Amino acid sequence: DAKTTQPPSMDCAEGRAANLPCNHSTISGNEYVYWYRQIHSQGPQYIIHGLKNNETNEMASLIITEDRKSSTLILPHATLRDTAVYYCIVGGNTGGFKTIFGAGTRLFVKA
Amino acid sequence: DTGVSQDPRHKITKRGQNVTFRCDPISEHNRLYWYRQTLGQGPEFLTYFQNEAQLEKSRLLSDRFSAERPKGSFSTLEIQRTEQGDSAMYLCASSLVGGFSYNEQFFGPGTRLTVL
Repeated sequence: DAKTTQPPSMDCAEGRAANLPCNHSTISGNEYVYWYRQIHSQGPQYIIHGLKNNETNEMASLIITEDRKSSTLILPHATLRDTAVYYCIVGGNTGGFKTIFGAGTRLFVKA
Repeated sequence: DTGVSQDPRHKITKRGQNVTFRCDPISEHNRLYWYRQTLGQGPEFLTYFQNEAQLEKSRLLSDRFSAERPKGSFSTLEIQRTEQGDSAMYLCASSLVGGFSYNEQFFGPGTRLTVL
């Protein structure tokens, strides 16, 4: 499984966009990029995933570079409730792969 | 509430005792996963089941750990002869696997184990 690299922490002002980067330079052609987040004292929660194209859902947008070696998760209007650890993961295209979490990025959204 | 429940939520035990945790996944989900998470780290994969079959076990899962999913529904994780290093949050997740679309994992709230 490809490895990911994320900054350990980031700050964001409430109401502003939060842009969380992830490097995955060893990603293989059939591996997807997934993002989960974990709010304190809860289990991780799925956010979004993508293969090549940019993706958007009600929670976030995912921008994947053309060479697929990095991606950015965008929370367009961060709220205090978005304070969490965000995990970038790469893996196969089904729900069955063992999810390899790194240490993630701890996002602090400040009022 | 994701629909995945775990019991107990907290467990304090003495070193050397056996403990068992239970996970009830979302009813129609055929995959069930166990993870362990220590403070400041992301969850570490332990094992997963496809229905009642245990398909993969991590090297982290020593001989003292055993997991079952006897009827393809709920699952138990047992730790025998607990050690202080077993203190962690144990997370369960479930997903519905089929076809070619991605089905995200839904996580339970976890069981926090403290070994004294």
